[in-house]
Amino acid sequence: TQLLEQSPQFLSIQEGENLTVYCNSSSVFSSLQWYRQEPGEGPVLLVTVVTGGEVKKLKRLTFQFGDARKDSSLHITAAQPGDTGLYLCAGVLISSGSARQLTFGSGTQLTVLP
Amino acid sequence: ETGVTQTPRHLVMGMTNKKSLKCEQHLGHNAMYWYKQSAKKPLELMFVYSLEERVENNSVPSRFSPECPNSSHLFLHLHTLQPEDSALYLCASSQGTGTMQYFGPGTRLTVT
Repeated sequence: TQLLEQSPQFLSIQEGENLTVYCNSSSVFSSLQWYRQEPGEGPVLLVTVVTGGEVKKLKRLTFQFGDARKDSSLHITAAQPGDTGLYLCAGVLISSGSARQLTFGSGTQLTVLP
Repeated sequence: ETGVTQTPRHLVMGMTNKKSLKCEQHLGHNAMYWYKQSAKKPLELMFVYSLEERVENNSVPSRFSPECPNSSHLFLHLHTLQPEDSALYLCASSQGTGTMQYFGPGTRLTVT
C-alpha cells in the first residue's frame, strides 16, 4: 500500500477541457508539494502547500491542500498541450520528526491532445 | 551550468561492469539525494546526504555505493548490477531536508 495515492493514473483529454487530479493519504503531512515531470527530464517543483485548506494558484493551475492535511488536489483550467506530463505529489510526514524526507505518489500521466 | 546536472544522461552496462553516476548542484544547497524511478512505481528514495554526511539509506543493495565528497557533488558507484536495476536515477538537492527539492535530468540506466 502506497502512502500517497494519486488518481487517476492516466488521463487523456482534449485541449480546452478542465481536469482535476487527486493525491490522497490516511496520514497527515506537514507540507505537500506538486511536481511536473516531462519525458527525459527530472521533476520540476510547481508549488508547496503547508496550511490545511490552503489554495494556491499558478496561472491556470489551482492547488488545494485538504483541511486535515491528508490530501490535495490539482485543478487545471482550459488545458493546453504544454500541460502534458507526469504530475507527482510529494509530502513530508508530520510524524517524520528530524528526518523530514519527501514521500512521493506514483503520479498522474496527463496527455492533452491538440 | 545552473541548477542540478547529471552525467551521463544515458548508460548501458553489463552485469559485471563497474560504473559511476555523477551529480553536481550549483544552487548552494546543503542536502543531496539519489532517487530511483522505475516504470509505474513511485520515486524511491535511495540515499540522503545532509552536510556531506549520509543520513538516510533506505535498504538499498550494497551493489549501489554513494559518495559525497563535498556539498556540491554526489556520486553513485555501481557494481555487478542486475537487470531489474534498470531505471531512471535522479539526483536532487535542497537547502535543509524535507524542503523544496531541485532535480537533475536523470541518468537512464540499462543493465544488460
